[in-house]
Amino acid sequence: QKEVEQNSGPLSVPEGAIASLNCTYSDRGSQSFFWYRQYSGKSPELIMFIYSNGDKEDGRFTAQLNKASQYVSLLIRDSQPSDSATYLCAVGDGNEKLTFGTGTRLTIIP
Amino acid sequence: GAVVSQHPSWVICKSGTSVKIECRSLDFQATTMFWYRQFPKQSLMLMATSNEGSKATYEQGVEKDKFLINHASLTLSTLTVTSAHPEDSSFYICSAWTSGSRNEQFFGPGTRLTVL
Repeated sequence: QKEVEQNSGPLSVPEGAIASLNCTYSDRGSQSFFWYRQYSGKSPELIMFIYSNGDKEDGRFTAQLNKASQYVSLLIRDSQPSDSATYLCAVGDGNEKLTFGTGTRLTIIP
Repeated sequence: GAVVSQHPSWVICKSGTSVKIECRSLDFQATTMFWYRQFPKQSLMLMATSNEGSKATYEQGVEKDKFLINHASLTLSTLTVTSAHPEDSSFYICSAWTSGSRNEQFFGPGTRLTVL
């Protein structure tokens, strides 16, 4: 069974600091990797996707993928209170189906 | 960007009744839509893949006769929870990939179902 593991948190980070979120996955054949943000009572919204090993930057967000270690991370620079949410890691099998982790609850402390 | 809508956004029903949830892609056609369920403080669990013009594909452990899925057009999929019980109370979310793109799966706003 495919598994996606995340630290449930809560992770508390001071405003302006870097938040680091981690995710590991069990299926070595996974091909696509996504980070979603979910506010309480709302549906997930896409933050970033990454397909290749290495780093991918988009504004304050950087996704890092290491397929050999089956590890993907999300860095949030200059954290803002509005970044407080649950962050879901999702892994794709190449056939449109995603497997989600349990999410990490992030709190940015003003 | 692409938009997926759901209706209703919340529903309360009595045990034993059936509830229908609609999922629409508003500005794109979706041959495939996905139905997820999320219990409090848990992650999204894929229930089934809805295929336009054919039968849905259910994940292991999901009762196809209880969760009826109909994908009659390229912009509409419906999920009917039949003979609902309190344990079916959950947040139901649909999603769809935009046509020709594997980069983003758009999620609907979700439907909060409470079964009394």
